[in-house]
Amino acid sequence: KQEVTQIPAALSVPEGENLVLNCSFTDSAIYNLQWFRQDPGKGLTSLLLIQSSQREQTSGRLNASLDKSSGRSTLYIAASQPGDSATYLCAVRDDYKLSFGAGTTVTVRA
Amino acid sequence: KAGVTQTPRYLIKTRGQQVTLSCSPISGHRSVSWYQQTPGQGLQFLFEYFSETQRNKGNFPGRFSGRQFSNSRSEMNVSTLELGDSALYLCASSLGGPTDTQYFGPGTRLTVL
Repeated sequence: KQEVTQIPAALSVPEGENLVLNCSFTDSAIYNLQWFRQDPGKGLTSLLLIQSSQREQTSGRLNASLDKSSGRSTLYIAASQPGDSATYLCAVRDDYKLSFGAGTTVTVRA
Repeated sequence: KAGVTQTPRYLIKTRGQQVTLSCSPISGHRSVSWYQQTPGQGLQFLFEYFSETQRNKGNFPGRFSGRQFSNSRSEMNVSTLELGDSALYLCASSLGGPTDTQYFGPGTRLTVL
C-alpha cells in the first residue's frame, strides 16, 4: 500500500523567503507525481505534474523535482508572497488513483 | 474551457438519510474520480470511472456507490448516512490515461447531523 508523507506539516516564513516543501512515498512504481494547492474550504488547484520519467518541472516561481528511486519529491517556491499562503499537497498516481500526503500548511507573513 | 463542476456545493442531512452528489467533468474528459477529505483521514480515494466503467475502487463500505453516464457526468450516492460521513467530497476529471493531469472541482461539503 502506497504511503505518502509530507514534511513539515506546517511552515511560517517572512515574505520574500524561499519555500522548500518535501514529499516522500514508499512505492516507486508510480506513473507521476502531482503537486496541488488548497485554500481553506476549497478544491484542489494543480500546480505541477512530473511524469515518472522526468526529474524536474518548472512553472514561474515554482520548481518541483522528483527522485523516483529514492521516493522523494521537493517543491521549491521562490520569493514567497502572502498570496502563497495555503496548504500544499503532493499526490502520486498509481493504479488509476491518487494517493495523497497530509499536506504542508504554509503561512507567508507580510 | 469550463472547469470541473460539482453540485450541490453544500448539503445538510440527518443520520440514516441518503444523498446523491453530482460531478460534471471538463469537456472531453472521460475519467471521473471521487475523493473524500476529512480532517482526520485526509484525502482518500473512493472510486474512478472511465467510459461508464468502474476501473478502481477504494476501501469504503458498500454504502458508497457511484456511476457514470454516457456524457461522462458522474454521480456518487451514500446511503444510510452516518455522522462520520461528514466531509468534503471532491471529484476530479482527466482524459483517462494513467499519466494525465487530474483536475479537481470545488467540492461538495456534506454535513450529517
